[in-house]
Amino acid sequence: EVQLVESGGGFVQPGGSLRLSCAASGFTFSGYEFNWVRQAPGKGLEWISNINHRNTGTTIYYADSVKGRFTISRDNAKNSLYLQMNSLRADDTSVYYCARGNWGRMDYWGQGTLVTVSS
Amino acid sequence: EIVLTQSPATLSLSPGERATLSCRASQSVSSYLAWYQQKPGQAPRLLIYDVSNRANGIPARFSGSGSGTDFTLTISSLEPEDFATYYCQQRNNWSSWTFGQGTKVEIK
Repeated sequence: EVQLVESGGGFVQPGGSLRLSCAASGFTFSGYEFNWVRQAPGKGLEWISNINHRNTGTTIYYADSVKGRFTISRDNAKNSLYLQMNSLRADDTSVYYCARGNWGRMDYWGQGTLVTVSS
Repeated sequence: EIVLTQSPATLSLSPGERATLSCRASQSVSSYLAWYQQKPGQAPRLLIYDVSNRANGIPARFSGSGSGTDFTLTISSLEPEDFATYYCQQRNNWSSWTFGQGTKVEIK
């Protein structure tokens, strides 16, 4: 069974940092790309980052809203995905989901982890 | 950047009725158009991918269609568990993913 489990969310002050993790199981982790998607309270879904891993190397993409502040990474040996979030702002408050990418779709999602940025 | 606009924002229907949800792109998109269902407090669930393919375990009452800039998700006969928010999503040039703003299907 495919499972994605996020952790690392919590309460942080503006300007602070947080590192999210996503532990994967039930499939060959190295064979897939992954995304982080967030959802502010009462709002829609916002894609923020993608990481691929092909024979030609790793490619990474970010939404403009997080570029320069957030860093996505993966550890294929640990079947894990990460999101390092720096310079956090109040508008980064959201539930953060990791989602497996499969060509043009995100076919499996974690349950999400809540990040609250407030003074 | 491609923008996806979903309509209507809210759809009020009764169980057994047909639901038609629209997703319009600001420019022509590839066939990588997907639909997700999200219930309160839950993660999104993939329903439809590549415009018209149902994901694993998705009932046949869900169908997707469209091309170019106009796409539709149809629920042929609403079941009580189908009342939720639905999002369309596309992948643009492999470097970004975009979601529509969502359509809430509520009980009339």
